[in-house]
Amino acid sequence: AIRMTQSPSSLSASTGDRVTIACRASQGISSYLAWFQQEPGKAPKLLIYAASTLQSGVPSRFSGSGSGTDFTLTISCLQSADFATYYCQQYYSYPRTFGQGTKVEIK
Amino acid sequence: QVQLQESGPGLVKPSQTLSLTCTVSGGSVSSGSYYWNWIRQPAGKGLEWIGRIYTSGNTNYNPSLLSRVTISVDTSNNKFSLKLSSVTAADTAVYYCARDQLFGGSFPGWVFDYWGQGTLVTVSS
Repeated sequence: AIRMTQSPSSLSASTGDRVTIACRASQGISSYLAWFQQEPGKAPKLLIYAASTLQSGVPSRFSGSGSGTDFTLTISCLQSADFATYYCQQYYSYPRTFGQGTKVEIK
Repeated sequence: QVQLQESGPGLVKPSQTLSLTCTVSGGSVSSGSYYWNWIRQPAGKGLEWIGRIYTSGNTNYNPSLLSRVTISVDTSNNKFSLKLSSVTAADTAVYYCARDQLFGGSFPGWVFDYWGQGTLVTVSS
């Protein structure tokens, strides 16, 4: 199985900050990567697929980049609604695998 | 707007079989455009993909659970189900059902676009 590793595991930031989360795959996955946001007690929500394509209805302050093994999720101007846990997930091969998550907390 | 809703016992005894159902509304499990998945999340931990099923009954399973898992589809009632046998405390988790849609473009692939709210299953005697 492809292992997905996120960094950092958690971070503290303030509203208005620019935040970057990294995700590394244990082998090349081209651009078959999705990012999800999960608020406490809720199901994950799709933000980005194909590494950089924004899902319909997702604010443009979210962006994704990368290909191969290294990817990033950037939130350009953190809003209060963005304090949540973020997961990357590869859909290059089975089994589908997720990163361990990055919790974005209020500083 | 498609909605998915998990249902089933919240408590299962060790060694028994966990059984959950996902009811789909606003869409059809018979549609050839989607796969239907089960994903779980132990408390405070990350997400683990369990497996998926197509309307034809074709399945893919996580090899780590292959010997214990069965996913089936009931097109008459627009539902799909999960059975996980010989459960232990390690199977305690929130279980989600989710839809897979083929997203096109330069890198076409199946992506989880709709999820149920999740249901907590505790394995305990």
